[in-house]
Amino acid sequence: DAGVIQSPRHEVTEMGQEVTLRCKPISGHNSLFWYRQTMMRGLELLIYFNNNVPIDDSGMPEDRFSAKMPNASFSTLKIQPSEPRDSAVYFCASSPSSGGTDGYTFGSGTRLTVV
Amino acid sequence: GNSVTQMEGPVTLSEEAFLTINCTYTATGYPSLFWYVQYPGEGLQLLLKATKADDKGSNKGFEATYRKETTSFHLEKGSVQVSDSAVYFCALRDLTGGFKTIFGAGTRLFVKA
Repeated sequence: DAGVIQSPRHEVTEMGQEVTLRCKPISGHNSLFWYRQTMMRGLELLIYFNNNVPIDDSGMPEDRFSAKMPNASFSTLKIQPSEPRDSAVYFCASSPSSGGTDGYTFGSGTRLTVV
Repeated sequence: GNSVTQMEGPVTLSEEAFLTINCTYTATGYPSLFWYVQYPGEGLQLLLKATKADDKGSNKGFEATYRKETTSFHLEKGSVQVSDSAVYFCALRDLTGGFKTIFGAGTRLFVKA
C-alpha cells in the first residue's frame, strides 16, 4: 500500500484565495482525520470522519474551513478565503475502525503558506 | 476529560546514551496508549503501542510499558543513535473519546555524535 497520500506537498497562495487540500486514505481504513500543526499551537485536530460521515468538526477554526469526504478513498479540506494565520502544515491520517486499539497512519502533509 | 502530559524538551543526549521520555495520562476509560515519532519534514509515524495494563510495546529498540497504577507510559531506549533525533509524541485513544486520539505536546530529541 502506498500509505496516506496528500497533495499538494507545498502550497503558496495569496490572502483571500481559495485553497483545497486533498487526501487519499489507506484502502480499508474507515476513519479519516485532518490535523493542523504549527510551532505555536502544536498538533490540532480539525475534523474527523467515520465511514465518510463527519463525526466531530469542533476543531474547525472558522466557517472559512470546510471538509468533505465524498467516498471512502478521497477527502478534501478547503479554506475560503485564506488568511496568513492559516499558514501551517496540514496532515491527513487514517485508521481502521476497530474500537480504538489501532494507531493512525499519517500522510506527509501539505505545507501551506498564505502571503 | 482525557489528557496526555509529556516532558518538555528539548532533550539532548550523546550517541549511545540511555533515553527516557516521560509520559503520563488522564483517562476516564481504559485507553490504548501510543508513541509516535516525527522526523523533520515528515508526518507522524506510529512507533509502538500498548492496549492494556502491563503490556509492553516495543519497536526499533524503543520500549514503553503501560502502567495503570501510575498512569504512565514512559518511552525508553538503551542506546540512542544520531538517527533517532526527532520529535516524539505520546498519545491515548479510547472509546469514551470516540474515535479521536489525544496527543501530547511532543518532546524534541537531539542526539549528538
